[in-house]
Amino acid sequence: QVQLQQSGPGLVKPSQTLSLTCVISGDSVSSNSVAWNWIRHSPARGLEWLGRTYYRSKWYNEYALSVKGRITINPDTSKNQFSLQLNSVTPEDTAVYYCATEASSGWYVSYGMDVWGQGTTVTVSS
Amino acid sequence: EIVLTQSPGTLSLSPGERATLSCRASQSVANTCLAWYQQKPGQAPRLLIYGASSRATGIPDRFSGSGSATDFTLTISRLEPEDFAVYYCQQSDSSPLTFGGGTKVEIK
Repeated sequence: QVQLQQSGPGLVKPSQTLSLTCVISGDSVSSNSVAWNWIRHSPARGLEWLGRTYYRSKWYNEYALSVKGRITINPDTSKNQFSLQLNSVTPEDTAVYYCATEASSGWYVSYGMDVWGQGTTVTVSS
Repeated sequence: EIVLTQSPGTLSLSPGERATLSCRASQSVANTCLAWYQQKPGQAPRLLIYGASSRATGIPDRFSGSGSATDFTLTISRLEPEDFAVYYCQQSDSSPLTFGGGTKVEIK
C-alpha cells in the first residue's frame, strides 16, 4: 500500500522560496505507471493542481499555467521522494499543500489521484 | 487549458434526498480521464470516481458518475449525514491538469 509523508516549513516570508518534500513508501518514484503530483487548497481558490513529475522511459515535468516560471518539481530516486519548490512567494500562495499519486495505464487512462499526503499548511507572511 | 465549471455552487438538501452535481468542460475530455473527489474540512480530498463512472476502492454504491465529452455528472442517490462536503471534478486528459471550482453539498 502506497503512503506519502510530507515535510517542510509552515511559514515562508514573502519573496522567498517555499520548499516541500514528499517521501514515498510502498512504490517507486521511478514507476512507469504512476505520476507524482502537488496540489494546493485554499478557501478562495479551492483545489489547484500545481504540477507533476513522472517517468516513462524518461522523466517528464508538467506545471500549471498559474505558477509556471516559479515552480520546480524534482524526483529524487536515491531517497524515493519528490519535492516542490515555489519561488518568489506572495501571500496569495498561502494554502494547504498536498502531494498525491495518480496511477495510469498508458498515456490516456487515468485511475485518479487515490493516495494523498497528510497536507502541509503553508503561510506566507513576514 | 481545459476549464471545468461545476454547478451549482451550493446544493442545499436533506439526508435521504438525491444529489445531482454537474461538471462542464470547456473542451472535450476523454471519459478515461475524468475523476470526482470529496473533501471535508481539515481533510485531504478522497477519490470517489475515476474514468467518469468507475467507483474507487471502498466507495459506496450510492455514488455514481456518468457523462461524456463536455458534460459529466456525479449523483449521490440518497444522502447520508457523512456525505455533506465539497465535491470537485478533475481532468487528466491534457496538461495542465485542472480541477473544477467545487460544489458544496450542505444540510438544508
